[in-house]
Parts: sequence; structure tokens; C-alpha cells
Amino acid sequence: DTAVSQTPKYLVTQMGNDKSIKCEQNLGHDTMYWYKQDSKKFLKIMFSYNNKELIINETVPNRFSPKSPDKAHLNLHINSLELGDSAVYFCASSQGPGLAGGGTGELFFGEGSRLTVL
Amino acid sequence: DAKTTQPPSMDCAEGRAANLPCNHSTISGNEYVYWYRQIHSQGPQYIIHGLKNNETNEMASLIITEDRKSSTLILPHATLRDTAVYYCIVRVDHAYTGANSKLTFGKGITLSVRP
Repeated sequence: DTAVSQTPKYLVTQMGNDKSIKCEQNLGHDTMYWYKQDSKKFLKIMFSYNNKELIINETVPNRFSPKSPDKAHLNLHINSLELGDSAVYFCASSQGPGLAGGGTGELFFGEGSRLTVL
Repeated sequence: DAKTTQPPSMDCAEGRAANLPCNHSTISGNEYVYWYRQIHSQGPQYIIHGLKNNETNEMASLIITEDRKSSTLILPHATLRDTAVYYCIVRVDHAYTGANSKLTFGKGITLSVRP
């Protein structure tokens, strides 16, 4: 019973294509995130949504467009893929964006989606 | 958020305690210390967090120095499955704003547990 699930796990595509990665969480959380882990293993936040509202938008090319149809889903659409987009993309969720309400601020991560752009 | 410094790697014998150090000398009063780990090819996993006091849970203990400039994560009885990259992160928790969502990961420390 996976808490944060991402699909697909692996994605190989050509430069210039458009692709999407889907994320769903069944933890009842109201905040979801996308992180990117590059070849050097640095993990960087890209976006965060709280109750379907965008609250963090890091310096990410506008070819990347997150969409949150409801609190349990946060999808990532990438247009005109480039070689540098090759990475592992992690979805995560938390109850609230921080420790407000007595939570731990813990993020639950999915297993990652490895994107390879050829 | 304050920066953290961790050694790049360390190892320990299975069954022994693993003590993972972290330096956060520029930490400010409202910043928490968080530890996550990432086992190869998996998503990061929360371990523990603390502000001033030492903390313990079923996974580990967190010892924070009195001046809060450094901390140590202790895995009391390391197993082979504890081999992973461990990230020490300091994070401000603003009152319910998006700013506190920025869990900023550094390079972490690679712990290798040997049989």
C-alpha cells in the first residue's frame, strides 16, 4: 500500500518531446512537492503545492508545469525536453508545509521517476 | 536557511553504533535540525528532527550541542540496511508560510556499514 506513488518509474524519450510524470499520495496530506536529483546526486526542490495552490516555485524553466487537480495528486508536465532534464524526479507530500499544527514537518517521498532524454 | 557541513563518508561495523556528525555553526534560533537518509535508488526517508533538546525515536537519536552549532545522529546498532547517504538539514519553520517547505539537501554523508 504505497503512500506516495509515481508513474512512470522509468521514462526514456527524445529531445524535444513533451512528457508527464504523475504523482498520487494516499496519506491525506495537503502539501505536495516535486524535487529533482541530478547526476551529481544533488536534490533540489522545484515546486510545492498546498491545498492545490502553488506556494513554492523555484527557478525552474517554464517548460516545467506542475498541475494539482486535487490535494492527492500533483503531476509534472515537461515541454520540449532537453538533455539537461535527464534526472530522477521525486514527488513528496507532507501534512502542512511545516510544523504548524504540531506536525513533524516530515516529508514522505515517492520512489522516484528516472527520466532519460536522448 | 543555515548551511550544514558533513564529512563525505564514513564506515562502521555491523552491530556497532554509527555516529554521524554535522556542523551547522551559523544556525539561528528558529532553525530546526532535520536528518533524512537516502538508500540507493530510493526516495529520501525522514529519520528525526530537533530544535534544542536531544531526541530519540525508533530509528535513531539526535544529540544537539548546547550552543546548537553541531549535532550528531546516532544509529545505535547499525545494520547493512543502514548503508545510505545521510543528510543533515537545518530548516526555518515560519508560521505557516511556503518558506518553510524548502527542505534544502546538501551532499550528505555516505555511511557504509561493513559486515
